[in-house]
Amino acid sequence: DAGVIQSPRHEVTEMGQEVTLRCKPISGHNSLFWYRQTMMRGLELLIYFNNNVPIDDSGMPEDRFSAKMPNASFSTLKIQPSEPRDSAVYFCASSNTSWGTKNTEAFFGQGTRLTVV
Amino acid sequence: KNEVEQSPQNLTAQEGEFITINCSYSVGISALHWLQQHPGGGIVSLFMLSSGKKKHGRLIATINIQEKHSSLHITASHPRDSAVYICAVNSGGGADGLTFGKGTHLIIQP
Repeated sequence: DAGVIQSPRHEVTEMGQEVTLRCKPISGHNSLFWYRQTMMRGLELLIYFNNNVPIDDSGMPEDRFSAKMPNASFSTLKIQPSEPRDSAVYFCASSNTSWGTKNTEAFFGQGTRLTVV
Repeated sequence: KNEVEQSPQNLTAQEGEFITINCSYSVGISALHWLQQHPGGGIVSLFMLSSGKKKHGRLIATINIQEKHSSLHITASHPRDSAVYICAVNSGGGADGLTFGKGTHLIIQP
């Protein structure tokens, strides 16, 4: 398997523009996570899905952020409108949890480095 | 919300030295993860553990549930071990997301 695939790897956009980050989880994994990493706050959970259903979006900073998982092999994180303080590295991760298994290893994508100018 | 503290924040050592990175957390967990992040690179999972000790090559991870503390050890350290090491925990009973420490920036000098 190619692992978790994120696109784009780098994104530079102007303030006010819409930004869409994409993620393809590892085939067969049923949990998907979006994280954000900044120098000030480190890594933070934004939202996670289980079987394509959003379970916890309490980490999403504002209504400008939205995430979808239309099927088991694709998820998007959208920021509209973008602001300079959204500049960060956004990671997608996936894992495979089954009945009776509380936690399993998470596999991370390479991240998308977003710069909003 | 679980608080995850790591120490030290920065560590510089000579090749061959034994390295220890510590992690403590504030409330009960279901699992603890050690992750490695290279400059400009992605994040790789090194260990996931909920009790005892795990070993993989020169890396050893231990956890003491009663003391809410974990350690990551690197034996015979090498410059290629230079990276940021991040401790993270699952706090919930199900497949929840991770809460992260701030990371330990390790530099191994030849």
